[in-house]
Amino acid sequence: DIQMTQSPASLSASLGETVTIECLASEDIYDILAWYQQKPGKSPQLLIYDASSLHTGVPSRFSGSGSGTQYSLKINSLQPEDFASYYCQNGLSAPLTFGSGTKLEIK
Amino acid sequence: EVQLVESGGGLVQPGRSLKLSCVASGFTFSNYGMNWIRQAPGKGLEWVAYISSGSSYIYYAETVKGRFTISRDNAKNTLYLQMTSLRSEDTALYYCARLTTVVSYWYFDFWGPGTMVTVSS
Repeated sequence: DIQMTQSPASLSASLGETVTIECLASEDIYDILAWYQQKPGKSPQLLIYDASSLHTGVPSRFSGSGSGTQYSLKINSLQPEDFASYYCQNGLSAPLTFGSGTKLEIK
Repeated sequence: EVQLVESGGGLVQPGRSLKLSCVASGFTFSNYGMNWIRQAPGKGLEWVAYISSGSSYIYYAETVKGRFTISRDNAKNTLYLQMTSLRSEDTALYYCARLTTVVSYWYFDFWGPGTMVTVSS
């Protein structure tokens, strides 16, 4: 199974700041990676797929990059609605695996 | 508008069974692969099972293989998860999630609000 190691586990930032979340796969996943946002008490929402493609309706301040085993999610100019948890996910093959999550909090 | 609504969760004793349902609307259910994904309280996401659009392909996580059965009824736009031999570690919020068809990989583009399963004596 492909293991997904996500860091950091938590992150404090201020409005307007830029933050980056990292995800490391245990083997090459050929850019087949997704990022999800989950707000408290809500179900996850797809943000990015294929490592860097924005899902419909996702603001352009979100961006994804990476290749091979290393990937990152960058959020520019943090807005109040961005404070949430974020998960990466291996989309290459079953069993589908998620990173352990990053909780982004307001400083 | 795409909607997925889960039901069937509740409190159940260890070793007992429970069947979850997910009713879909707003899209052609029979064209999409579907999944169950769960989240233990305060924890991360764990994929549980997948079923293809026509039920030809089914996959399970090792943690539930042999105990859970995923199925669907395309005429009723409904996805199911039959859970048997339940354990305390199965306690979680269970989400129904649609597999995207935008690309041919395993991404989940719509999720239901979830139904809570608590396994406890």
